[in-house]
Amino acid sequence: GNSVTQMEGPVTLSEEAFLTINCTYTATGYPSLFWYVQYPGEGLQLLLKATKADDKGSNKGFEATYRKETTSFHLEKGSVQVSDSAVYFCALALNTGNQFYFGTGTSLTVIP
Amino acid sequence: SAVISQKPSRDICQRGTSLTIQCQVDSQVTMMFWYRQQPGQSLTLIATANQGSEATYESGFVIDKFPISRPNLTFSTLTVSNMSPEDSSIYLCSVGGQGSGNTIYFGEGSWLTVV
Repeated sequence: GNSVTQMEGPVTLSEEAFLTINCTYTATGYPSLFWYVQYPGEGLQLLLKATKADDKGSNKGFEATYRKETTSFHLEKGSVQVSDSAVYFCALALNTGNQFYFGTGTSLTVIP
Repeated sequence: SAVISQKPSRDICQRGTSLTIQCQVDSQVTMMFWYRQQPGQSLTLIATANQGSEATYESGFVIDKFPISRPNLTFSTLTVSNMSPEDSSIYLCSVGGQGSGNTIYFGEGSWLTVV
């Protein structure tokens, strides 16, 4: 079946630390991959996406590369800020329908 | 991307009552989706709402409990009926899908607490 597995949280980092949140997937066919972010008290916002192998999505200093050989889409940021504190969801969408599959979310807290 | 507005943003509801959540989009969209996010959990798709047809419900969700309307291409409602504390969740409206580069966009969510 189709699924997304995310690194368990919560994650606590100091400001300016390097961030990696791991995400691996299982999918039939060739999915599109996404990272969504949910800031406290808000809905989900699209952070970045990649639609094919070796694509790199990037936004607000975050990056993730679609790795077909390792079925992974790890989220990285070189230097986190307090304002990055949020819950991050990895997701995949099959190209043959409208079904999305979400990971369980990883809570990130950045401390000054 | 579309701007998606939900009402109410938050509510505290009495057990046994029903609440209707409204979702308004600033452009016409074919597919609208309703998700539930229980406390500390990921998102679960409740149903897909297409204009002019009955909503398609996912396993574990039924129309009697979560009736959905989709009267036009910019609006939808989700009703949570006969609420119990287990229905305390964030309910999220989203739009997009295949016609939007396979991407879905979310509203701010409606945060319901049932007491």
